[in-house]
Amino acid sequence: KQEVTQIPAALSVPEGENLVLNCSFTDSAIYNLQWFRQDPGKGLTSLLLIQSSQREQTSGRLNASLDKSSGRSTLYIAASQPGDSATYLCAVRPASNYQLIWGAGTKLIIKP
Amino acid sequence: DAGVIQSPRHEVTEMGQEVTLRCKPISGHNSLFWYRQTMMRGLELLIYFNNNVPIDDSGMPEDRFSAKMPNASFSTLKIQPSEPRDSAVYFCASSLGGIEKLFFGSGTQLSVL
Repeated sequence: KQEVTQIPAALSVPEGENLVLNCSFTDSAIYNLQWFRQDPGKGLTSLLLIQSSQREQTSGRLNASLDKSSGRSTLYIAASQPGDSATYLCAVRPASNYQLIWGAGTKLIIKP
Repeated sequence: DAGVIQSPRHEVTEMGQEVTLRCKPISGHNSLFWYRQTMMRGLELLIYFNNNVPIDDSGMPEDRFSAKMPNASFSTLKIQPSEPRDSAVYFCASSLGGIEKLFFGSGTQLSVL
């Protein structure tokens, strides 16, 4: 059974720092992995989607990597800003199923 | 595009009342998902539609919950009768093909008193 873990549950860093959020999964047979952002009281916004054949995806200051063999993905945020404060969730789509398996999220606070 | 549109944004009702949540997916998307989010259980998939047909409703908690998708641009999630434990944020999401990027609505905050 696929399980997705995000550690730490919360992270607080000063503005301007580069940071890495972690996502691990137990079964390497995945179709893709997505990183989402959720602001308080809002819906989820898909940030990056990495297909199983890809190693990384980039969008602006965000870079997501995928290592299927080790069951890990990282979301790298460069030059963090207070507006990056949100909860970041990763979700894995197993190869045999359309249903996303969700991590519990990392709550990120960027201090001005 | 306006994105996935959900209504109402907030719903407060009394136990035993019927609640209907509405969703308009992104035009052209053929997959629609209803999720429920709580602090205790995180995001839970309730039901998945593909081309307006329910594919998997195994996440629907019990017979009090029902969902319909009469056409490609509209879906409803109904709870009858509602109970306090149904209090949560309910999200609708859509995608193209069911395996690509998922786009979420802003959610409906449901409080059952």
